[in-house]
Amino acid sequence: EIVLTQSPGTLSLSPGERATLSCRASQSISNKLAWYQQNPGQPPRLLIYDTSRRATGIPDRFSGGGSGTDFTLTISRLEPEDLAVYYCQQYFGSITFGPGTKVDI
Amino acid sequence: QVQLQESGPGLVKPSDTLSLTCVVSGWSITNGYYWGWIRQPPGKGLEWIGSVYHSGKTYYNPSLKSRVTMSVDTSKNQISLKLSSVSAADTAVYYCARDSVVPAEYFYPWGQGTLVTVSS
Repeated sequence: EIVLTQSPGTLSLSPGERATLSCRASQSISNKLAWYQQNPGQPPRLLIYDTSRRATGIPDRFSGGGSGTDFTLTISRLEPEDLAVYYCQQYFGSITFGPGTKVDI
Repeated sequence: QVQLQESGPGLVKPSDTLSLTCVVSGWSITNGYYWGWIRQPPGKGLEWIGSVYHSGKTYYNPSLKSRVTMSVDTSKNQISLKLSSVSAADTAVYYCARDSVVPAEYFYPWGQGTLVTVSS
């Protein structure tokens, strides 16, 4: 099983600041990584797939990067509605999710 | 616009079988995509359960494979999940979602989810 580790566990920032979230895989997963945003009480929403492709309707202040085992999600300018938990997910092997990073604003 | 709606019993007894359905609207489930189930225990992270194609081809999480059955009903445009021999560890919000055109990739969009509690 491919294990994903996310850091930090919680990120406390102010509106307008830049957020950088990290996801590390236990083995190389090429570019087979997605990111989801889950607002309180809501289902997850796909933000990024194939490491860096934005899903439909996602603002360009969300961007993804990395390859192999180390990946990042960057939110260039935080908005209040970005308060959420962010999960990474790999699909190189049998699908697994990371434990999540909570973004506090 | 694709919409998914999960339904099923909110309470299941230990050792029984959990059964859920997901009705898809705004998109035919025969139209090229796989369809998945993902669950989330209260306050915890996400776990992929499996994915199914309209042909009936399935892909399951190895950790759940012995207890999971997924199926499709194209006449009702819905997919179904059965999880046998449940225990308290299976208490979770269960989501259905559209998978990719390649099985077991990423999921968009998701249903609102349905909470299933396993308790006697």
